[in-house]
Amino acid sequence: GQNIDQPTEMTATEGAIVQINCTYQTSGFNGLFWYQQHAGEAPTFLSYNVLDGLEEKGRFSSFLSRSKGYSYLLLKELQMKDSASYLCAVRGDRDDKIIFGKGTRLHILP
Amino acid sequence: DARVTQTPRHKVTEMGQEVTMRCQPILGHNTVFWYRQTMMQGLELLAYFRNRAPLDDSGMPKDRFSAEMPDATLATLKIQPSEPRDSAVYFCASGPRLGQNTEAFFGQGTRLTVV
Repeated sequence: GQNIDQPTEMTATEGAIVQINCTYQTSGFNGLFWYQQHAGEAPTFLSYNVLDGLEEKGRFSSFLSRSKGYSYLLLKELQMKDSASYLCAVRGDRDDKIIFGKGTRLHILP
Repeated sequence: DARVTQTPRHKVTEMGQEVTMRCQPILGHNTVFWYRQTMMQGLELLAYFRNRAPLDDSGMPKDRFSAEMPDATLATLKIQPSEPRDSAVYFCASGPRLGQNTEAFFGQGTRLTVV
């Protein structure tokens, strides 16, 4: 079976740093995605990790530990526009199926 | 500007009616996913195709849902008969042959309300 866990909601302050964690248990693994989804819109791609370590892309970074089944998304210098849901997703190794967690709703306070 | 196109964007229908949702994947993409999103369950994978062949539809209620790709430019998701519990946003996503560093691109979704 497949199980992807992430916190339901988080709150952070404008200008601060926030870390959104994701743990997964899957029958196979061939990469982990993070997507951002604003209310009423489609998910949009943020990052992809397949090897252990940190991938940095501007204000956003994503980390993966395959042995621990763990990833996090780090958002720096938070802006009000970062208020959105952040979805962790895992791709299987025998197929291209992408399974999503339920998402973390991030609220940014001024 | 390549994008996944879904129609209709909104659909309100009465219980028992047939609903057909359409998706045009990005030209050249050969993997197509159908997801359903609700507040309670999040994004659930209903079905997915590679080169128009269904690979997995285990997430789809078989008695009322069906998914097809009549050709490479069109994917359809049908619900017959529809029920109020089918109310959700249905997303289609497409991707090239998924190798490393290749994400799925989402359409804008079809918001379905069954009354």
